[in-house]
Amino acid sequence: DTGVSQNPRHKITKRGQNVTFRCDPISEHNRLYWYRQTLGQGPEFLTYFQNEAQLEKSRLLSDRFSAERPKGSFSTLEIQRTEQGDSAMYLCASSLGTRPSTDTQYFGPGTRLTVL
Amino acid sequence: GQQVMQIPQYQHVQEGEDFTTYCNSSTTLSNIQWYKQRPGGHPVFLIQLVKSGEVKKQKRLTFQFGEAKKNSSLHITATQTTDVGTYFCAAFTRLPNSGYALNFGKGTSLLVTP
Repeated sequence: DTGVSQNPRHKITKRGQNVTFRCDPISEHNRLYWYRQTLGQGPEFLTYFQNEAQLEKSRLLSDRFSAERPKGSFSTLEIQRTEQGDSAMYLCASSLGTRPSTDTQYFGPGTRLTVL
Repeated sequence: GQQVMQIPQYQHVQEGEDFTTYCNSSTTLSNIQWYKQRPGGHPVFLIQLVKSGEVKKQKRLTFQFGEAKKNSSLHITATQTTDVGTYFCAAFTRLPNSGYALNFGKGTSLLVTP
């Protein structure tokens, strides 16, 4: 399967714990995006990378959130000191990056986080 | 960013009936994309519309982009149970550092009863 993959698919954690999610984009895609989706809403943009550089961060991304893409391939999203409000589906998407304003973004299956 | 509003929020139809969801923006859009998300699944890209007045068809699905590029619609003819899911429109929004991200509507959830 050459699509976007994400691990784990589900994560249940206690409030205050740290969690880390991984995303493996489509191999030739330069751009990688993180979105968050809560029940009944569309995905909301969190941050994106052009290769290994993190170029944009949404105001939704508090100081407890950090994302990396160390070698321009896979990416990790870490949430420190989780809160119940962090419970959501975290989606990763990738695109070619040749024309960012029109490139199709391909989404992974997501990581569903539940904070107890 | 460019906000997109979708209506209706929910639609329940009998199999074989038609279905339409509408997407509206207060600003002119450069393009618009449509995604489908099955229950428990992730958004799957359906189509992108770029030109004013553009109409594209995919089997029973017809996508339209308004003349003013401020609205779009997705019409499904003769729905089937496999059409169940949430349909999102999304527009690219310019980010502060010259990047782009997708700004999604809240989606229309379609339920099809056999």
